[in-house]
Amino acid sequence: ETGVTQTPRHLVMGMTNKKSLKCEQHLGHNAMYWYKQSAKKPLELMFVYSLEERVENNSVPSRFSPECPNSSHLFLHLHTLQPEDSALYLCASSQETGGGNIQYFGAGTRLSVL
Amino acid sequence: AQSVAQPEDQVNVAEGNPLTVKCTYSVSGNPYLFWYVQYPNRGLQFLLKYITGDNLVKGSYGFEAEFNKSQTSFHLKKPSALVSDSALYFCAVRANDYKLSFGAGTTVTVRA
Repeated sequence: ETGVTQTPRHLVMGMTNKKSLKCEQHLGHNAMYWYKQSAKKPLELMFVYSLEERVENNSVPSRFSPECPNSSHLFLHLHTLQPEDSALYLCASSQETGGGNIQYFGAGTRLSVL
Repeated sequence: AQSVAQPEDQVNVAEGNPLTVKCTYSVSGNPYLFWYVQYPNRGLQFLLKYITGDNLVKGSYGFEAEFNKSQTSFHLKKPSALVSDSALYFCAVRANDYKLSFGAGTTVTVRA
């Protein structure tokens, strides 16, 4: 595997629930990312953390709240989601030393909002 | 702003035949170009990248890609496709920040 672990792999939640997605990287990287993958669409970058500071927030609705407590862990807290938020959520990490850095992805969390 | 276009939603080839997945990009400055592959129920796996130097880049699983600056293209190729190459392929471009811009993906089906 890639060294990036996401849990849970599948999640079904109602619109009033609160849940969290977890990502852990074992690669010693200094940057972590959340992406949303919907069918037939390009991956959408949601958030980027570098050295535990958020450096990118792509106009994501406030019902998605990221947290990066240390360089190895990244969370995505979910509340009051909408059915259109159903998608595959991917976490990635990289070692940022220049433009050619490779991002390594986890297997994703398949989220269904009922 | 940077962007990537993958003009084909689907590519179908017979096993043993050459495989080409097309990608064109738009970016200011020098591009960093990537190909990733996604198998069902898996995350994206890195295949290869172009940073600078030789326009022909070789990567994992026998794949290669050719950078063409004048045509702003970075097509992925494999001389002889395998059934196990059936997957979703993404091209991505990066320009000097953290952001990778991905194409919408091309589904490759290799029939036996």
